Amino acid sequence: DAKTTQPTSMDCAEGRAANLPCNHSTISGNEYVYWYRQIHSQGPQYIIHGLKNNETNEMASLIITEDRKSSTLILPHATLRDTAVYYCIVRVANTGNQFYFGTGTSLTVIP
Amino acid sequence: DAGITQSPRHKVTETGTPVTLRCHQTENHRYMYWYRQDPGHGLRLIHYSYGVKDTDKGEVSDGYSVSRSKTEDFLLTLESATSSQTSVYFCAISGGQGPGEQYFGPGTRLTVT
Repeated sequence: DAKTTQPTSMDCAEGRAANLPCNHSTISGNEYVYWYRQIHSQGPQYIIHGLKNNETNEMASLIITEDRKSSTLILPHATLRDTAVYYCIVRVANTGNQFYFGTGTSLTVIP
Repeated sequence: DAGITQSPRHKVTETGTPVTLRCHQTENHRYMYWYRQDPGHGLRLIHYSYGVKDTDKGEVSDGYSVSRSKTEDFLLTLESATSSQTSVYFCAISGGQGPGEQYFGPGTRLTVT
């Protein structure tokens, strides 16, 4: 029961910033935005999460619009190893709830 | 990376045989989850555990059972494997702190012939 909409696929040149959009227009006030990625055949990898404010960690930045209806994951300097499927997920912060991964965005970093 | 291991990593079994997959964590996290991933369906939750001996069903629990007798181990059992249970199975853990991000294991590829 995915509550998010993401483009099916995107390309990005190596070394450039990759900006992955996500629409979550029905997000509730107590729902967080999480981003994961899955490199072929591996387990999903947690990237970042946020509630209202923009967030940055060693992997990426998360920009959430003021109305919280959309967000963008930014990989500042994409490398070939960033080629993966990226999932945007909204979820109440209750650790008993599952993550609904949807179909995500397949990002291809081009040399 | 979170300390999560899954065993076996690959298994081929015949229809009707029992199969047990193991997830082991070294993080002392309270919550553990089993998902399956199939083409066109994404990841779907099978069962999860919120403590020792405390488990609950997920979205696709039919045909599966789980047990958690220790914090570090979460077992997934297919009592009588069917071809529809051919899938990649992922275990995940969550610490229960903050907004509850989950960390995933490397996966087990199960083929039922």
